[in-house]
Amino acid sequence: DGGITQSPKYLFRKEGQNVTLSCEQNLNHDAMYWYRQDPGQGLRLIYYSQIVNDFQKGDIAEGYSVSREKKESFPLTVTSAQKNPTAFYLCASSIQPQPQHFGDGTRLSIL
Amino acid sequence: AQKVTQAQTEISVVEKEDVTLDCVYETRDTTYYLFWYKQPPSGELVFLIRRNSFDEQNEISGRYSWNFQKSTSSFNFTITASQVVDSAVYFCALSELDMDTGRRALTFGSGTRLQVQP
Repeated sequence: DGGITQSPKYLFRKEGQNVTLSCEQNLNHDAMYWYRQDPGQGLRLIYYSQIVNDFQKGDIAEGYSVSREKKESFPLTVTSAQKNPTAFYLCASSIQPQPQHFGDGTRLSIL
Repeated sequence: AQKVTQAQTEISVVEKEDVTLDCVYETRDTTYYLFWYKQPPSGELVFLIRRNSFDEQNEISGRYSWNFQKSTSSFNFTITASQVVDSAVYFCALSELDMDTGRRALTFGSGTRLQVQP
C-alpha cells in the first residue's frame, strides 16, 4: 500500500547534538512537508518542498534544515540551534490542492 | 489574528449523543480549501473531508456531517450518535494561496479534544 513512513518513532537528543528524522513516501507526490506539534496545539509548518532539489522555509524554520535530493525522501535535521526541540514531528505529502497525507510521526525528546 | 479558530478546546459527551465541533476561518483568498483531520491517541493524522470555497453543499458521510457556510466563515463538523472510538483530537485546516511565496499554505486550528464516555 502507498503511504508515508517516518522513522524513528521515538528519538532522543543530547544537548548540542544534531539529529535527523526520516520521511519517505511512495505516493509519487511532488510536495512534501514537515510540521511540528506541541502538546495541546495545532501543527506548525517547519519546511516544505514542492519539487526535488527545492524547498522553502515555513513559519518556524529556525534551528531546522532539510534536503530534497529524491522525490521520495524529505529528511529533517534538528540542529543544536533549535533550543526547544521536544515535540511531535509530522511529515506529509500531497498533490496540491489535494489533502495532505501524513506519516505516523516522530516524538523527539531531550536527554 | 488566528486564521483558523477552534474555540472549543475540549468537549466531553456520553456515547450516542450528537456533538458539533466548531471551526471559523479567515481568508482573503477567493479560492481556498477547508479540511478536517482526526488525530487519535496514536498520533497519526487521518483525513476526513476536503471542501473547496465554491462548493457550499453540506456533506454527510455515515455518522459524520459537515456544514459549510461562507456567510459566517464557518465549517462545522457534527458527529451523530457518537461512539467511544470517536475520541480523538479533531483539527480544522485552511488551505489558501500565499501571495508572497506563491505557495498554497495549510494552516491548522489548535484542535478540539473530543472525549466520548461509554
